Parts: sequence; C-alpha cells; structure tokens
Amino acid sequence: SQQGEEDPQALSIQEGENATMNCSYKTSINNLQWYRQNSGRGLVHLILIRSNEREKHSGRLRVTLDTSKKSSSLLITASRAADTASYFCATDAGGTASKLTFGTGTRLQVTL
Amino acid sequence: DAGVTQSPTHLIKTRGQQVTLRCSPISGHKSVSWYQQVLGQGPQFIFQYYEKEERGRGNFPDRFSARQFPNYSSELNVNALLLGDSALYLCASSRTGGSYGYTFGSGTRLTVV
Repeated sequence: SQQGEEDPQALSIQEGENATMNCSYKTSINNLQWYRQNSGRGLVHLILIRSNEREKHSGRLRVTLDTSKKSSSLLITASRAADTASYFCATDAGGTASKLTFGTGTRLQVTL
Repeated sequence: DAGVTQSPTHLIKTRGQQVTLRCSPISGHKSVSWYQQVLGQGPQFIFQYYEKEERGRGNFPDRFSARQFPNYSSELNVNALLLGDSALYLCASSRTGGSYGYTFGSGTRLTVV
C-alpha cells in the first residue's frame, strides 16, 4: 500500500518558473527521501531529510519537513526542460528493514 | 564505478510460468532491495537483503522469493506468474542499509500475457 499522497498529481510550468510538490504521509518516520523518475525507468535519489531536520538544500532543490503535520514539500527553483519527470517522496520508518514506502508521485512537465 | 545493473531489461512471460530477475549492486554496497512498480503507481517494497540475510519482506505472496549471493548480487524469483505481476521491477542498493538513500537500477520490465 502507498504511504500517502502527493499533490498535485500533475504540474505543468514554463522553464524558469519554480515548481513545488507536496507529500503527505501517515506514520512516524526516520527519514524522508525524494526521487526522480524519467519515462518509467530507474529512480534517481535527489535528497534525504531526517526526522529531526526541518529544511535541507541541494543545488536548485529545497526540501522541507513538518513531522507534526506529516508532510513534506519539494521546491525546484528555476526549472529546466530537463527537470521534466515524475517525482516521488518515500518514507523510511527505520527498524530492522530499511523499507521505503513511496507516494503516488507528481508528474512535472516543464515547457520551453 | 558501474551503477546498479539489472538483467534482463525486458521480459515477456506466459501466465503460470516462472521468472528470475537479476541485480548487481554497486561495488561495496552490501544491501539490495527489490521493488515492484505497476504502471501509474509508486514503487512497492518486496524484499530487502543485507549481508546476505533477509531483513524485510513486503506484502507479497509466497510466489515471490529472493536471495543474495556472497558477492552481494541478488535474484528475485516469481513463480506461477499472474497477469497482475506485469510491472517494472526495480533493484536498489546501498552501502549501509539505506540510511543515506538508495541507488536504483533501470529496472526490468516484465509483461505477463
């Protein structure tokens, strides 16, 4: 079963604009990760934020985490056509198995 | 270094058949996990192996099994294939069990007819 929902399901923006995707989850987590997937192939790890962190940056990416609301957001600044992909959040609850529970994904389309 | 490699990339099988999917992790990575991604959905966890021991299993029937070899490569086996097993099967490896994120392979696209 999916951990939660991502919002919006689809997002279309123009190159240069910012893109914001939201993720909600249901259970306590150890960390939350964001991945990108191009054309239904492999997932690329973008960023990991731990449960005791509130914000993290990596290049044009900014991730926030609000554990009290069980939600996270991914901001991509100055979007490029190459950012066109599906974006997934995944939670890791910790424990013996490091099992990722993925959301439903946001499909981002960046047009010229 | 080579990334996570999976084979084959595409596979077509008939209902009732058995299939074996293979994964080679990044050199030095001791943890391998398997995920199933049905079209239009997020990946779902099937198995995790760390240091050749099963660490976790997702909500999949016993028709799904896996193992990890001494060189840390892994195989996923699915018996008695059903149409609903058609999906992209993803392998992910990590050095420490995933606490710093995973590197995924490009996947094996399995079609059951």
